[in-house]
Amino acid sequence: GESVGLHLPTLSVQEGDNSIINCAYSNSASDYFIWYKQESGKGPQFIIDIRSNMDKRQGQRVTVLLNKTVKHLSLQIAATQPGDSAVYFCAEFSSASKIIFGSGTRLSIRP
Amino acid sequence: GAVVSQHPSRVICKSGTSVKIECRSLDFQATTMFWYRQFPKKSLMLMATSNEGSKATYEQGVEKDKFLINHASLTLSTLTVTSAHPEDSSFYICSASGRVGGEQFFGPGTRLTVL
Repeated sequence: GESVGLHLPTLSVQEGDNSIINCAYSNSASDYFIWYKQESGKGPQFIIDIRSNMDKRQGQRVTVLLNKTVKHLSLQIAATQPGDSAVYFCAEFSSASKIIFGSGTRLSIRP
Repeated sequence: GAVVSQHPSRVICKSGTSVKIECRSLDFQATTMFWYRQFPKKSLMLMATSNEGSKATYEQGVEKDKFLINHASLTLSTLTVTSAHPEDSSFYICSASGRVGGEQFFGPGTRLTVL
C-alpha cells in the first residue's frame, strides 16, 4: 500500500549549517513527491517537488534528492536560517490525485 | 496568485453544537477541494475530497454524517462539524486545485476547540 514516513521526528541544526531531512516511502510505483514546510499554526507551504524520472532537483537554497532504488528522498537546506524553523513533511502524490503526508520532522535552529 | 483562505481562523464551541468552516479560492476556480485534519504534533490526514456540484468522497473511517461537506461553487467549500465533541478538537486545513490531478494550494487552517 501507499505510505510515506520520516526517519527522525526532530532535527536541531546550528544556524548557518546545512540541514538534511530524510524520508522513506514504500510504494515503488510512486512517481511524484512534494516537500512542504509548515510553520506553527499555519497551513503547509509548498517547497519543492520531484518526479521519479529525476534524481535531483534544486531550488533556492533547497535541494531534493530521490533514490528510487532504496525508496528514499531527502530535503537539503543550505545555510539554515532561523526562518527555516518549522515542521517539514514529505508527501506523495498518489495515483488517485491525493496527497499523502509523511509524519513530519521538526527542524529547530540553534543560534 | 493561487490564494486559499479559511474562515474562521479559530473557533471555540460548546459540546453538542455544530460549527461551519469555509474554504475559499480567492483568485482561481477550484474544481476540487480537499479537507484535512491535523491533531497536535501529528501529520495531516485527508478527510474528504469534494468536486464542485457533486457529493464529497470521504476517506475510510471519516463519518460523512458528522463532517458535512458542501462544494456549491467553484470558489467555496464548507465543512460543517455536526454535534461537535471534545475529540473533534483539531486543526482543519483545506486545499484547492484548479484541475483534477493539479497542484493543490493550501489554506491557513482553522483551529477548532470543543469545550
